[in-house]
Amino acid sequence: QKEVEQDPGPLSVPEGAIVSLNCTYSNSAFQYFMWYRQYSRKGPELLMYTYSSGNKEDGRFTAQVDKSSKYISLFIRDSQPSDSATYLCAMKQAGTALIFGKGTTLSVSS
Amino acid sequence: GAVVSQHPSWVICKSGTSVKIECRSLDFQATTMFWYRQFPKQSLMLMATSNEGSKATYEQGVEKDKFLINHASLTLSTLTVTSAHPEDSSFYICSASPLGTSGHNEQFFGPGTRLTVL
Repeated sequence: QKEVEQDPGPLSVPEGAIVSLNCTYSNSAFQYFMWYRQYSRKGPELLMYTYSSGNKEDGRFTAQVDKSSKYISLFIRDSQPSDSATYLCAMKQAGTALIFGKGTTLSVSS
Repeated sequence: GAVVSQHPSWVICKSGTSVKIECRSLDFQATTMFWYRQFPKQSLMLMATSNEGSKATYEQGVEKDKFLINHASLTLSTLTVTSAHPEDSSFYICSASPLGTSGHNEQFFGPGTRLTVL
């Protein structure tokens, strides 16, 4: 079993839809959880950063962490064509390297 | 703030030559920089962790003599792919952790360098 599992998609939704992206993980020691957005041929851009369990909201984006289920989610409300990108979850323990999921490719059509 | 640049953004070279990629933190000092490789439709795979003034720590399976890393200052790390071969063709991305960030919890990524070896 890989440390971080993420459905690669692709995921296609109409403009305005609510998007749910998810990752599961096996290492219960992970404490820091991130979501990155990566456009084609570009470096990843940090979207959300969460420590331990709970929810975090930033504009149209909400990140949820459920450590008991080893499950994290990113919700995008009122999705826009400009949200079309690959979304990578990443997580780590303190002092260790980030472990990335494979990324989910999202396409939002107008 | 927290901008990381890479140069070049795209390079094509002949098999057997060496290629140097630069990673710079433009508006902050970075004690630690990370080098990743990403193949098409794959995730980022950590190659090595580089600390300023000391030797890099390489991940298992990454040849340290082939991928030379130098981190001479708090704002610059370089990755040199020596004797490049077509299988080294990939997207190389660096990231940097700001000085004072405990446990590398914040990482800011560069835009990546696409290497094509003919």
